[in-house]
Amino acid sequence: EDKVVQSPLSLVVHEGDTVTLNCSYEVTNFRSLLWYKQEKKAPTFLFMLTSSGIEKKSGRLSSILDKKELFSILNITATQTGDSAVYLCAVAATGNQFYFGTGTSLTVIP
Amino acid sequence: DSGVTQTPKHLITATGQRVTLRCSPRSGDLSVYWYQQSLDQGLQFLIQYYNGEERAKGNILERFSAQQFPDLHSELNLSSLELGDSALYFCASSVATSGGPQETQYFGPGTRLLVL
Repeated sequence: EDKVVQSPLSLVVHEGDTVTLNCSYEVTNFRSLLWYKQEKKAPTFLFMLTSSGIEKKSGRLSSILDKKELFSILNITATQTGDSAVYLCAVAATGNQFYFGTGTSLTVIP
Repeated sequence: DSGVTQTPKHLITATGQRVTLRCSPRSGDLSVYWYQQSLDQGLQFLIQYYNGEERAKGNILERFSAQQFPDLHSELNLSSLELGDSALYFCASSVATSGGPQETQYFGPGTRLLVL
């Protein structure tokens, strides 16, 4: 059965800390891995990763994919209260199938 | 604001009823995706339409159906509703070329359905 597992389920940190969110997957016919940020409403797109070892970066956020070990990490440095959200990992497979993890809830305390 | 709109915002109905959720994609996007997000299961992909045609099916129940109209808006119909259908239903859209993958999806604000 295809699945995406995220860890930890929940994380509480202080402003300025660095966090690492994990996503492992078992999906046949993998095409890409995506990260989304979900605040109170709709998920917003962060990154799409298709190749191993190539880091994608956007400001304080970065992500990397390991297709051999079937996982990805999302790093957030110098966290701010505005980073508080649920971070979703998803895998797109051929046939236009999409599998989402249940998310990691990040709370950043001032 | 992603540019994807969904109506209604909230919906409360009774078991056994039928409801229709509506989605308008971003201007220029041809693909529409429907997702169900419940507390215990996370986001579940239901179905995708591209330019009026069904393109992919995920975990969509037989009681659920969808369509995409010539103006590209989409409707998700949920019938014979059960308590377990209570969830947040998201629509997303993307600029998908015919036959090609397009993972960057823009999500609408969702419709929260409560079945009593």
